[in-house]
Amino acid sequence: GQQLNQSPQSMFIQEGEDVSMNCTSSSIFNTWLWYKQDPGEGPVLLIALYKAGELTSNGRLTAQFGITRKDSFLNISASIPSDVGIYFCAGLNYGGSQGNLIFGKGTKLSVKP
Amino acid sequence: SQTIHQWPATLVQPVGSPLSLECTVEGTSNPNLYWYRQAAGRGLQLLFYSVGIGQISSEVPQNLSASRPQDRQFILSSKKLLLSDSGFYLCARKQGVGYTFGSGTRLTVV
Repeated sequence: GQQLNQSPQSMFIQEGEDVSMNCTSSSIFNTWLWYKQDPGEGPVLLIALYKAGELTSNGRLTAQFGITRKDSFLNISASIPSDVGIYFCAGLNYGGSQGNLIFGKGTKLSVKP
Repeated sequence: SQTIHQWPATLVQPVGSPLSLECTVEGTSNPNLYWYRQAAGRGLQLLFYSVGIGQISSEVPQNLSASRPQDRQFILSSKKLLLSDSGFYLCARKQGVGYTFGSGTRLTVV
């Protein structure tokens, strides 16, 4: 089945540093999504990407839909303590998985003040 | 509103006891609904999804079952809990191309 490889698995950074994480797959996706999960809460959608090459920003967050449609990355600039949490990538292939999202295993981000 | 209600927020149950977690959603009718389980600090494991009343698809063989008795109600059940059933259970609904998640239920089996 379709799988997403998300890396790194975890990150420990200093406040103010930039963060970069990515997802890759052997399959093509039509849509890429990035979610953030705060401790003890459900994931919340951060950014949605709809076409290859698309670069989208949401405040300090920037995400890109890879040209090959098999990868995506998320950057966080000037991290702050409230950025801590687990970040998930998710891909959607309209023709597969019954239209369900495929999730990466998450990147756990810790920010040291 | 596309709100998702999950309860309870936390639950401690003994091994061998039954389980019933309920998820209700507001908003548009006939939503696709999902149950996920998350081990501590780990990824999301899809357990069940439903495209309509009485329609349940299971992703992994397990000790749990799901039912959808009403359009906006999705229930996760077990007849006898195992220690390995502990985790964070999340209900989600399809909204646009993505999902909206509930706030989750933390289940500890002791």
